[in-house]
Amino acid sequence: DAGVIQSPRHEVTEMGQEVTLRCKPISGHDYLFWYRQTMMRGLELLIYFNNNVPIDDSGMPEDRFSAKMPNASFSTLKIQPSEPRDSAVYFCASSSSYNEQFFGPGTRLTVL
Amino acid sequence: AQSVAQPEDQVNVAEGNPLTVKCTYSVSGNPYLFWYVQYPNRGLQFLLKYITGDNLVKGSYGFEAEFNKSQTSFHLKKPSALVSDSALYFCAVRDLNTGGFKTIFGAGTRLFVKA
Repeated sequence: DAGVIQSPRHEVTEMGQEVTLRCKPISGHDYLFWYRQTMMRGLELLIYFNNNVPIDDSGMPEDRFSAKMPNASFSTLKIQPSEPRDSAVYFCASSSSYNEQFFGPGTRLTVL
Repeated sequence: AQSVAQPEDQVNVAEGNPLTVKCTYSVSGNPYLFWYVQYPNRGLQFLLKYITGDNLVKGSYGFEAEFNKSQTSFHLKKPSALVSDSALYFCAVRDLNTGGFKTIFGAGTRLFVKA
């Protein structure tokens, strides 16, 4: 298995632009997580899905952030409009039931 | 509410010496505990986990961790450190009794192993 796949690996955009991050979980995993990592705040859980249904989105910072999982093999995290304080590394992870999470390589987002 | 603390921002150890990275946790129910490692510009990688059973858990790359319920700790250990063990280590906890899959990660401890 190729593991969790994220794209793009790097994204540089200007304030106000829309940003879409993509994730393909490991086949057969029924949980998908989106995290944000910054030096100041560490690793934060933004949202997680179970069987494509959002379960807990309490970590989503504000309405500018949205996440979807239209099917078991694809999820997106969208920021609209983006702001400089959104600059971070965004990780997607997947797991099956009570097992450990497998993380993707991350997307490094820079908002100018 | 569940929480996890890693009291040391950084741990320095000489190659060949034993290492310990500390972690304490707080949950209202039974804990499900993890250690992950992150190398530069990479995602987190799973090292080991504790759900139930033997308090000493063995994981990848020679690492082990000891669950101590009375001290609510789950320290990561390795008998002999390698330079290649230098990385950022995260302790994480999930509360089995909440019914959710929300995993809380500690702030991370950076391990430096000097040759």
